[in-house]
Amino acid sequence: ETGVTQTPRHLVMGMTNKKSLKCEQHLGHNAMYWYKQSAKKPLELMFVYSLEERVENNSVPSRFSPECPNSSHLFLHLHTLQPEDSALYLCASSQGVLGGTEAFFGQGTRLTVV
Amino acid sequence: AQSVSQHNHHVILSEAASLELGCNYSYGGTVNLFWYVQYPGQHLQLLLKYFSGDPLVKGIKGFEAEFIKSKFSFNLRKPSVQWSDTAEYFCAVKETGSARQLTFGSGTQLTVLP
Repeated sequence: ETGVTQTPRHLVMGMTNKKSLKCEQHLGHNAMYWYKQSAKKPLELMFVYSLEERVENNSVPSRFSPECPNSSHLFLHLHTLQPEDSALYLCASSQGVLGGTEAFFGQGTRLTVV
Repeated sequence: AQSVSQHNHHVILSEAASLELGCNYSYGGTVNLFWYVQYPGQHLQLLLKYFSGDPLVKGIKGFEAEFIKSKFSFNLRKPSVQWSDTAEYFCAVKETGSARQLTFGSGTQLTVLP
């Protein structure tokens, strides 16, 4: 148990569906992140939220839409995805975005787009 | 832009063999360095980290890493591996005092044969 919980663990969706990934952290952190993990590739940072404000968006397609309603919750809304978006989506949190704070990761959502 | 290279994609060892996984990064400024491990079906978890001070860092489960600034390296070592060390290992770098987030290597899959 990491203190970062992601739901669902697995998701299969069609290209025309709309779904959302949820992340909740119980660590009192004020920064949250979405990463994409594809096979044989480095983890790719998608979005960073600090104090509920988006501070980084790494050229992610608009079919991915993040939402951070408070410092404990982070969502990733998905619509009209492509098969190449199939991957493991990881949520992480940390105390602050500056300095040498380590990130704590959730177990991820395994997304398959069919 | 900073980058992280992990030269070995897959390492296979027998139990009790010694391990060294390479990690090199490209950023020339002050960095914080991390090694994360992902056991099969589990979340990414921190093995060890370097922020400052003694360049030889000891982590959990008998792992250690040495920061060699002149070589831009942060190699992970363990004198005697166990079957339970089978996992994927990720090196990550973060610029100190920057809002830029962790940059990960592509990972090294370690398989330890019983």
